[in-house]
This record gives sequence, C-alpha cells and structure tokens, in this order.
Amino acid sequence: DSGVTQTPKHLITATGQRVTLRCSPRSGDLSVYWYQQSLDQGLQFLIQYYNGEERAKGNILERFSAQQFPDLHSELNLSSLELGDSALYFCASSAGGSGANVLTFGAGSRLTVL
Amino acid sequence: AQTVTQSQPEMSVQEAETVTLSCTYDTSESDYYLFWYKQPPSRQMILVIRQEAYKQQNATENRFSVNFQKAAKSFSLKISDSQLGDAAMYFCAYRRGNSAGNMLTFGGGTRLMVKP
Repeated sequence: DSGVTQTPKHLITATGQRVTLRCSPRSGDLSVYWYQQSLDQGLQFLIQYYNGEERAKGNILERFSAQQFPDLHSELNLSSLELGDSALYFCASSAGGSGANVLTFGAGSRLTVL
Repeated sequence: AQTVTQSQPEMSVQEAETVTLSCTYDTSESDYYLFWYKQPPSRQMILVIRQEAYKQQNATENRFSVNFQKAAKSFSLKISDSQLGDAAMYFCAYRRGNSAGNMLTFGGGTRLMVKP
C-alpha cells in the first residue's frame, strides 16, 4: 500500500457520459498530480495541485477538469467521454513542490469507455 | 520542454545475469532530478532509484544502480543478478528542481523480460 488511495479501481461507462475519479494523497503530502496512461500515448501528465491551488497544467483536455479540496483530496472529472479516453488514470502525491520530493503513485483507476 | 527517450522498447535477460536499460533526456535546466520507476503487471508505479543532477556519484539501491552521464544527458539503469520479479515495464523520468510545475516527465518505457 503506497498510501495514495484512488477510487474507483475500475469503471466502465458509455460514450458521452461523465465520471469522477477520486484521489486521497499520502498523509502530509500537499501536492497532487494526475496522469493518464494509455497504450498509444504512454504516461501523460494532466494537472498538478499544490495545497488547493492549480500549480501546472499538461495535456489535459477541455472536457477534463480537476480540483483539490481543503482536506487535500483531489477529484478528476471527465465529461463527454469518448472511446479514446479509455485509459489508466494515476494520481500521485508528494510532500511539497520541490523536485527533491519523491512522487508516490496510487494504484490507478482503470476507465473503460464503451 | 523537457523530453525523455527510452530507445529500447523491449529487453530480455537471463535470470541471475545483468542488464542495462538506456535513457536519454533533453533539458536546459541545471537543477533537476532523474528517476527510474518500475511498473509490474499489477500496474502499480514503484520508485526504483533516484539521482540528483548536482551529485556526481551514481545512485545505488541494492541490485539497482545508475550510470549518470550529465554532459551526455544519459541516465541508464543497471540491474544486477536479475530475478523473475524484476520483469516489468521500466520508465525513466525527469523532474525539474525547485520551481512551479515540477511534474515528472516520463519516457516511453522499456519492457523487461526475465528468462528462467
């Protein structure tokens, strides 16, 4: 157990639908990162939050949004889902924003869009 | 933008032998960190080893060691005495130092197969 909790572990839904993925970071970690892992795109950085504020944005589609709440958990919202959104979505956390801080990953949420 | 390249999509090694996985990166930063992550069939991302760019000494963690060539922007992973449990995808990753947006940038991965 890495200490980073992601729910749900698996999710199957239809095109056009909306889903929410949830992440609880390791105790004490202030930074949360979201990554998408698909077969053709590899591991793509989506977005980073630090203590409730957006810190960096990567290749995140406009249909996707995220936030980090006061208790530091984070949610990734995916809307108007397409077949190509099927992927493994990882959340990672780190103690702070320094590059020295190691990122610890959750087990991922596997999304299948039919 | 920083890029990380792993030129070996697949590698295989005999159990108990040594294998080296290659990684190159491109950056104009002077303060950064390099990592190797392992992703076994369970899909969990597990940190294998970390290297600080300001350190000349190569990092070592038990059977895992790196060869960090800063001028060449090369960061290879050596696995000694390979074990069946080492079979996994291995990702090289780069991270900027103390600045905003210091997310991990990953290479495309190398699938390592270990033959008994």
